[in-house]
Amino acid sequence: DTEVTQTPKHLVMGMTNKKSLKCEQHMGHRAMYWYKQKAKKPPELMFVYSYEKLSINESVPSRFSPECPNSSLLNLHLHALQPEDSALYLCASSQILGGNTIYFGEGSWLTVV
Amino acid sequence: GQNIDQPTEMTATEGAIVQINCTYQTSGFNGLFWYQQHAGEAPTFLSYNVLDGLEEKGRFSSFLSRSKGYSYLLLKELQMKDSASYLCAVRPNTGGFKTIFGAGTRLFVKA
Repeated sequence: DTEVTQTPKHLVMGMTNKKSLKCEQHMGHRAMYWYKQKAKKPPELMFVYSYEKLSINESVPSRFSPECPNSSLLNLHLHALQPEDSALYLCASSQILGGNTIYFGEGSWLTVV
Repeated sequence: GQNIDQPTEMTATEGAIVQINCTYQTSGFNGLFWYQQHAGEAPTFLSYNVLDGLEEKGRFSSFLSRSKGYSYLLLKELQMKDSASYLCAVRPNTGGFKTIFGAGTRLFVKA
C-alpha cells in the first residue's frame, strides 16, 4: 500500500467558516507534509511534521493550523480564509524527514467564496 | 537564493525521445527529484538522483551533474499518456530537508 489518502477531494467554504482537511497514510512513514499548489504553479511547502512534531512552518498565516494526532494522520484546520487561499492542497509523506521518495495524495481542491 | 529553471513547454511526437532539462542554483545540494503531474492530479514520483550520472528506470532516465547544477529527464518511446507536467525539485543542504520545486515543464505528446 503506497497510498496517501486525502479527504475531502473538493471543499467550498465561506470566509467565516471553519473546516478541516484530512490526510492519512499507512506506510509507517514518520514525515508528513502539507503543500499548496495554485494553477500552473509548482507545489509550495507549508508545513512538515517529523515523528508527529512540527519541524518546518514556512511562515504560513495562522488561519492555517496543522495538527498531527498520530503517526498516520495529518490534519489542516482552516479558519477565516481568504479567496486567494483557493488552491489544491497536497498532503505527502516520506519514510523519514529527508527520505528520497515522497508520496503525494491526490489533493483537496479548496475554493473560498 | 534558491532557483530552479526548466523550460515552460515542450512538444514531441508519439514514439520519439524527449529530454527535459533542469538547472538549479541552491544553498548546497542534497538530492534532485523528478515528478510527473497530470492536470488536476497529484505529483507522482519518477526519480531521485544524489550522485552524478544516469539513473534508468524503464522508459524514463534521469541524469545529474552536480558540478554543473544540471539534470535532465529523458523519456523514450513516448506515449500519449506521457502528456503531463514534469517537475524538477531540489533538496538544498539547508532548511531541514525542504524540497523546492521548479515551475514544471508541460509536455505535449502529439500523434
